[in-house]
Amino acid sequence: EAQVTQNPRYLITVTGKKLTVTCSQNMNHEYMSWYRQDPGLGLRQIYYSMNVEVTDKGDVPEGYKVSRKEKRNFPLILESPSPNQTSLYFCASSPAGTGDEAFFGQGTRLTVV
Amino acid sequence: SQELEQSPQSLIVQEGKNLTINCTSSKTLYGLYWYKQKYGEGLIFLMMLQKGGEEKSHEKITAKLDEKKQQSSLHITASQPSHAGIYLCGADGGWGNKLVFGAGTILRVKS
Repeated sequence: EAQVTQNPRYLITVTGKKLTVTCSQNMNHEYMSWYRQDPGLGLRQIYYSMNVEVTDKGDVPEGYKVSRKEKRNFPLILESPSPNQTSLYFCASSPAGTGDEAFFGQGTRLTVV
Repeated sequence: SQELEQSPQSLIVQEGKNLTINCTSSKTLYGLYWYKQKYGEGLIFLMMLQKGGEEKSHEKITAKLDEKKQQSSLHITASQPSHAGIYLCGADGGWGNKLVFGAGTILRVKS
């Protein structure tokens, strides 16, 4: 089954404790991206990757890192999480870019206390 | 940067009624996407519009992109409880690499 898989689905952590949210897709898509969703603000793009080893900042990259060492994986790293990073995070992939239908993961609800 | 404004922010309709959700862009739209999201879950792709004046339908949902390519509307005919959720419009910034979204419209359907 074609899908984007995020882990974990739920995470509660403390301020400053490094964490990684994994994202994997099995569709051989070139393009992957991360979003955060906050009430009243909709989805905002954090980082995106056009291909392996090619990543770029979205609209809200501060406090996040990403890497794209393999085509299928695009982890999101929070080196020192803060409470303002409490949010619902989505990973998405599409065949070649934003001109194609995007497939979204189920989301990761992160709470930083 | 491009911004998308959706209206209304939320909507409660009686089952069987029609409804329309609008998405207005601050810049020309090169590609406009409609997604549906159930609470706390991932987004499901509904349809994509690229040409001015284009109209697409999927079951009882129809979306249009106006001629000037700065506004899109999503119309649901004879709403059902299964239509409830959050509808988001998204747009290609024009370079094929960044996607922006509206804040979403929460739809509730009363049976």
